[in-house]
Amino acid sequence: GAGVSQSPRYKVAKRGQDVALRCDPISGHVSLFWYQQALGQGPEFLTYFQNEAQLDKSGLPSDRFFAERPEGSVSTLKIQRTQQEDSAVYLCASSLSGRAPNTEAFFGQGTRLTVV
Amino acid sequence: SQQGEEDPQALSIQEGENATMNCSYKTSINNLQWYRQNSGRGLVHLILIRSNEREKHSGRLRVTLDTSKKSSSLLITASRAADTASYFCATFSGSARQLTFGSGTQLTVLP
Repeated sequence: GAGVSQSPRYKVAKRGQDVALRCDPISGHVSLFWYQQALGQGPEFLTYFQNEAQLDKSGLPSDRFFAERPEGSVSTLKIQRTQQEDSAVYLCASSLSGRAPNTEAFFGQGTRLTVV
Repeated sequence: SQQGEEDPQALSIQEGENATMNCSYKTSINNLQWYRQNSGRGLVHLILIRSNEREKHSGRLRVTLDTSKKSSSLLITASRAADTASYFCATFSGSARQLTFGSGTQLTVLP
């Protein structure tokens, strides 16, 4: 497809379970971002990749969160030992370049994670 | 934490009216972007305005940017029921290399 694809669309996890969320960016896009969006709020930055390099992970809320993009294309966001406060929509976005002004970001539909 | 704050938080208008949303931000930026999000869906990019631009148009959308006041506005003219969505401003700072979003305005256009 032409857009950013995320899977699964919905995930229900029991507290303490590990989860992995996948993002397929638009082919050829250098930059990839992960965001967390709580209900009724704007997206909060988690981490940023330029190709396979994770240049910014300042938004990851704890060491239970880990992201990778080993070949500079598909990315996985992993959350270990999930907790109820991790419940949110996780959005992935890609852009052609990581530099202004070409920073229009294309978002996937998101993965809605519910921790019970 | 979120850099931008949208105003108002919620806006309800009749179809055909114009809708104006405002965004304020805190730090210097390279560009500012507006996104739309329909309920339960991903964000869709609407328009990007660079820090050296003051106004930009795209179809029924008009965006202004005042860097001295660190504020932007999005005007949607001749609104339609299909414009009902949440609208977010997002700023891009080259040093941070991330888009930082505001808290959004929920727009409802009544048919």
